[in-house]
Amino acid sequence: NAGVTQTPKFRVLKTGQSMTLLCAQDMNHEYMYWYRQDPGMGLRLIHYSVGEGTTAKGEVPDGYNVSRLKKQNFLLGLESAAPSQTSVYFCASRLPHGGTSGRALEQYFGPGTRLTVT
Amino acid sequence: GNSVTQMEGPVTLSEEAFLTINCTYTATGYPSLFWYVQYPGEGLQLLLKATKADDKGSNKGFEATYRKETTSFHLEKGSVQVSDSAVYFCALRSSTGANNLFFGTGTRLTVIP
Repeated sequence: NAGVTQTPKFRVLKTGQSMTLLCAQDMNHEYMYWYRQDPGMGLRLIHYSVGEGTTAKGEVPDGYNVSRLKKQNFLLGLESAAPSQTSVYFCASRLPHGGTSGRALEQYFGPGTRLTVT
Repeated sequence: GNSVTQMEGPVTLSEEAFLTINCTYTATGYPSLFWYVQYPGEGLQLLLKATKADDKGSNKGFEATYRKETTSFHLEKGSVQVSDSAVYFCALRSSTGANNLFFGTGTRLTVIP
């Protein structure tokens, strides 16, 4: 199993450009998450999904859109990038609450995407 | 609401020293508590967890006890190694909604030989 993978690993954008970050998981997890990590602020939840075709806003959703067309993929889009979106982006996934695994509620994280907006 | 307050870093220790990283929380309901570790250039990995009051999570020589009376979940290790150098995050999972994680700001630990 590859676990959770993220594409790309690094990206530099100019202000106003758009891009999509891809998260893929091969663990058949229902729940998926996008976080951003900024110095001195820990991880903050941007959007999440509790299943294919569903998405919901997290703590800092403004400026981002997401889609979950397939269970294994969760896409994060920036329509018009701003310098304030310079960050490291992490994707995570987990089984749903009440899963049979003893680790049902553990979130598994991808390696991150470092995005710089100039 | 839910929040986690974590000891400010960075922390620098000599090998074999005792480690404590403080973590306190505020939460509604009955949260579960976690410590995640992030090694350089990698994503977060679950280090240990506790799901109810008085539970002790442990892994790789690290321990943390869920103290409801003091709303704390301090991370400890009796003898740190150079390989423990990483950023440590305390987190809580809400018991409502989508069971999202709320993270502390992280504490960078550097262990010197």
